[in-house]
Amino acid sequence: AQSVTQLGSHVSVSEGALVLLRCNYSSSVPPYLFWYVQYPNQGLQLLLKYTSAATLVKGINGFEAEFKKSETSFHLTKPSAHMSDAAEYFCAVSVNTDKLIFGTGTRLQVFP
Amino acid sequence: EPEVTQTPSHQVTQMGQEVILRCVPISNHLYFYWYRQILGQKVEFLVSFYNNEISEKSEIFDDQFSVERPDGSNFTLKIRSTKLEDSAMYFCASSKNSGQETQYFGPGTRLLVL
Repeated sequence: AQSVTQLGSHVSVSEGALVLLRCNYSSSVPPYLFWYVQYPNQGLQLLLKYTSAATLVKGINGFEAEFKKSETSFHLTKPSAHMSDAAEYFCAVSVNTDKLIFGTGTRLQVFP
Repeated sequence: EPEVTQTPSHQVTQMGQEVILRCVPISNHLYFYWYRQILGQKVEFLVSFYNNEISEKSEIFDDQFSVERPDGSNFTLKIRSTKLEDSAMYFCASSKNSGQETQYFGPGTRLLVL
């Protein structure tokens, strides 16, 4: 069965610092991988997705993620955090199905 | 930009009552989904719907739940007899196609069962 593990339920960074949110997946077949962001009182918005093309995927708002099969990882990064990046971030996987399997989420706090 | 809308934004109901959560997917999308997020927990898949049929459902989606596309625009989730543990945020999503296609989520309906 597929699953996603997000290490760190809370991550705090200073404005301008590197953002690194970790996601590891478990799948016996090549997965599709997604990062979604949830701002307070809003729905989930797609940041980026991996669908077996380029392993380095660029998304909106300066975020990117790299698919590493050997490490079964799909970590999300942004070189320089902005206050507006404070939100909850969810990694998700889908394999041969329409349903998305989400991780438990990581709440990102950005301090001035 | 087109978006998925959901009504109501909040719903409070008594245990045992029926509730209907409504969603208007993006107009040219063909695949529809419901997910839920119990407070403090992960977002969980409930059901997917295509061509007026359920295409996949989770173990959560038992006989108390049903989905319907009553007209060309609305997509509804009905809970026949609500339980306390049904209290959650319910998200509707839609996509043009299946598989790797992006699912666009609505803002959610927060359901509180008392």
